Formats: sequence, C-alpha cells, structure tokens
Amino acid sequence: AQSVTQLGSHVSVSEGALVLLRCNYSSSVPPYLFWYVQYPNQGLQLLLKYTSAATLVKGINGFEAEFKKSETSFHLTKPSAHMRDAAEYFCAVRVNTGGFKTIFGAGTRLFVKA
Amino acid sequence: NAGVTQTPKFQVLKTGQSMTLQCAQDMNHNSMYWYRQDPGMGLRLIYYSASEGTTDKGEVPNGYNVSRLNKREFSLRLESAAPSQTSVYFCASSPAGTGNNEQYFGPGTRLTVT
Repeated sequence: AQSVTQLGSHVSVSEGALVLLRCNYSSSVPPYLFWYVQYPNQGLQLLLKYTSAATLVKGINGFEAEFKKSETSFHLTKPSAHMRDAAEYFCAVRVNTGGFKTIFGAGTRLFVKA
Repeated sequence: NAGVTQTPKFQVLKTGQSMTLQCAQDMNHNSMYWYRQDPGMGLRLIYYSASEGTTDKGEVPNGYNVSRLNKREFSLRLESAAPSQTSVYFCASSPAGTGNNEQYFGPGTRLTVT
C-alpha cells in the first residue's frame, strides 16, 4: 500500500537559515510526488512536483526537492528561510487505484524566527 | 479565473442537523474531490468523482453523501451531523488521465458541530 511519512510535525528555523522538511514514501510503482503549502486560513497550493523528468525539482518561492529512489525520500529544502515561508507543508503521493487519488502526509508546520 | 470556490466559508450546526457544502470549479477539470482536514492527520479523502456522472468512496466516507451535479459542481452532504464531523472541509479538482496532474484547492469550509 502507498503511504507518506513526514518526519517532524513542527520545524523551527531562524530567518536566513536552511529549511529542510523530510518526506518518505512507500509505493509499489514509480511514484508521482508533490509538495503543497498551506498558508493560514487558506487552501493548499502546489509548491512543486516530481514526474520522473529530473530528480532535482525546483518549485516556487525558492524551494526545491530531490527524489532519491534508493532512500524512498523526497525532502524539501530552501537555502535561506524568509518570514513569509511560515506555513504548513504537505508531502503527497499520487496513486492509480482505478482512478488517480492523492495520499497526503500529516503535514509539517514551519516556524520562522526573526 | 475564480478557480475552485466553496460555500459557505463557516458553518455551525447542532447535532442531527443536515447541510450541504457546495463546490464549483471553472477550469474544465474532469476530477473533483472532497477532503477533511484535522490537526495532525493531514488531508483525508471523503469522496471523489473521477469524471462527470461517477462518484466513489474515499478513506472516510461514513456519514457523508456526494452529488456530481455537472462537470463544474460537486456537493457534499451531511445528513445528520455529529460532533466528530467538526473539521475543515476542502474541495479540490484536477485534470484527469495522468498521475502527474496536481490538484487545485478551494479555500475551505470550517464546520463546527455542537
């Protein structure tokens, strides 16, 4: 069965520091992987997605993620955190079970300290 | 474009009352979804509609019904609300056919059942 695990429900960094949000997946077939961001009182919006074209994927707002098949990971990084990055981040895998469905991780809330 | 719209934004119900959450998208997407979001649990799929005229159960369908009224609209009905249904509900849509299609989310409906 496909699943997504996000390590750490809360991550706190200082402004300007590296952001690293961890995601591991399990999938019996090559996965489609996504990162979504949710700002307070809003719906989710796409940050980036992996579709097998390249293992390093660049997204919006300076975020990127690297697909590592051997580690079944898709960690999200940003070299320098900004206050506006404070939000909740969801890793997701899209699977075909007679129609495509998306399985979301539990989410990681990012806090950015001034 | 409005994208995905949801009404109402907020709702308070008493146990046993019924209500319908409305969702519409203007992106000509084939697939639509209803999720609930609870703290620490990510998003859980309630029902989805892969295409107009079809609906299927997701992970947590009990206590809910859906109607795919046409290609644009997908409603979620609570026949007899329970406190366990207190949650934030998100509607989403995506183009159909391939796994690398991301989902587009509405702003959410915050439902409290007392």
